[in-house]
Amino acid sequence: DGGITQSPKYLFRKEGQNVTLSCEQNLNHDAMYWYRQDPGQGLRLIYYSQIVNDFQKGDIAEGYSVSREKKESFPLTVTSAQKNPTAFYLCASSMGADGYTFGSGTRLTVV
Amino acid sequence: GENVEQHPSTLSVQEGDSAVIKCTYSDSASNYFPWYKQELGKRPQLIIDIRSNVGEKKDQRIAVTLNKTAKHFSLHITETQPEDSAVYFCAASRGNTPLVFGKGTRLSVIA
Repeated sequence: DGGITQSPKYLFRKEGQNVTLSCEQNLNHDAMYWYRQDPGQGLRLIYYSQIVNDFQKGDIAEGYSVSREKKESFPLTVTSAQKNPTAFYLCASSMGADGYTFGSGTRLTVV
Repeated sequence: GENVEQHPSTLSVQEGDSAVIKCTYSDSASNYFPWYKQELGKRPQLIIDIRSNVGEKKDQRIAVTLNKTAKHFSLHITETQPEDSAVYFCAASRGNTPLVFGKGTRLSVIA
């Protein structure tokens, strides 16, 4: 699916629950990113990782956590501390200074 | 940090007319400027990009221009078609930093 796969496509979270969004790439890209998309807000950076076992906070990291144990994988956990998690979440990867390849996204809804 | 402003937020054009979307950036060290097209419910797709060592780049009906002095860049779509209807995002980065995105322009091409 374009070399970068996100799952699930739809996810429902109950109040106080942690949920994990999966992102896997087979493009051999070094860098991976998580963005959140809300209507009229564009794409806002949550976390990014430029190498394995290292990651950096983006502009809206509060209430989220990540890990980068393998080059291919960059899962995002939405914790109960994130009070407004309903959004469309996009994972992306890149090699160096090239443009991103995006996954197909996960739509998270609080129920 | 970098800040990217994008205008207009919505744009309607008649089929066959041209469309222009403009972005300004704040970090004079930014050197990579991609444009993405996102259709409803889909992932953003890279349509064209430009680096700071050139002033213009064309790909069929799409062109991007860059004015480093004024710190702005523009997307030009000629001979618009209904399938050009989508949300378009500009972005900027220093190349070794994550992309910072504009808030998007919803383009509607009216047949």
